[in-house]
Amino acid sequence: SQQGEEDPQALSIQEGENATMNCSYKTSINNLQWYRQNSGRGLVHLILIRSNEREKHSGRLRVTLDTSKKSSSLLITASRAADTASYFCATAASGTYKYIFGTGTRLKVLA
Amino acid sequence: NAGVTQTPKFQVLKTGQSMTLQCAQDMNHEYMSWYRQDPGMGLRLIHYSVGAGITDQGEVPNGYNVSRSTTEDFPLRLLSAAPSQTSVYFCASRGGLAGYNEQFFGPGTRLTVL
Repeated sequence: SQQGEEDPQALSIQEGENATMNCSYKTSINNLQWYRQNSGRGLVHLILIRSNEREKHSGRLRVTLDTSKKSSSLLITASRAADTASYFCATAASGTYKYIFGTGTRLKVLA
Repeated sequence: NAGVTQTPKFQVLKTGQSMTLQCAQDMNHEYMSWYRQDPGMGLRLIHYSVGAGITDQGEVPNGYNVSRSTTEDFPLRLLSAAPSQTSVYFCASRGGLAGYNEQFFGPGTRLTVL
């Protein structure tokens, strides 16, 4: 079974609005990563947050991590049409090398 | 650097045929992995490798073999293709084994098994 579960499965917003997506996972982790996938293409790394960090920023992206709840959120501020993509979280259980991906959130930003 | 390359981009097989999906990276990364992506399922880990000569199973390894004879190459073999293996296959690599680095993904191979 997959380690991570994102919600919502799909999200549609207007350009300029903020988009928030959530990821829940099952085991203790070293870190959590967020990736973006444009339709039919490979995944692109967005941001990594370590298990001892609670919040991290990168440009218009803000990621939070709550290890007590085994959950993370990705906030995209001032969204643009170009942000339309699927977003995935990925985690590696503590002591392992392998990254397991969640099911993804499909974001659509309407111009 | 070319990054992570995959060949072929598209492939159609008949049930029972075998084939090898190629993956190569030129970043001298120790960690390489194969994922498959089915609609609505996200990515599922098939096999991974932490260095030449070392491989291990992921979430869905049945029906697939891998080997890692060099740092650069990590081919995925389908032994006897089945319609359930119709999917998009992604190869990825990562520098360092501790897990604190991003994974770089190839463009994918779209496989259809009839």
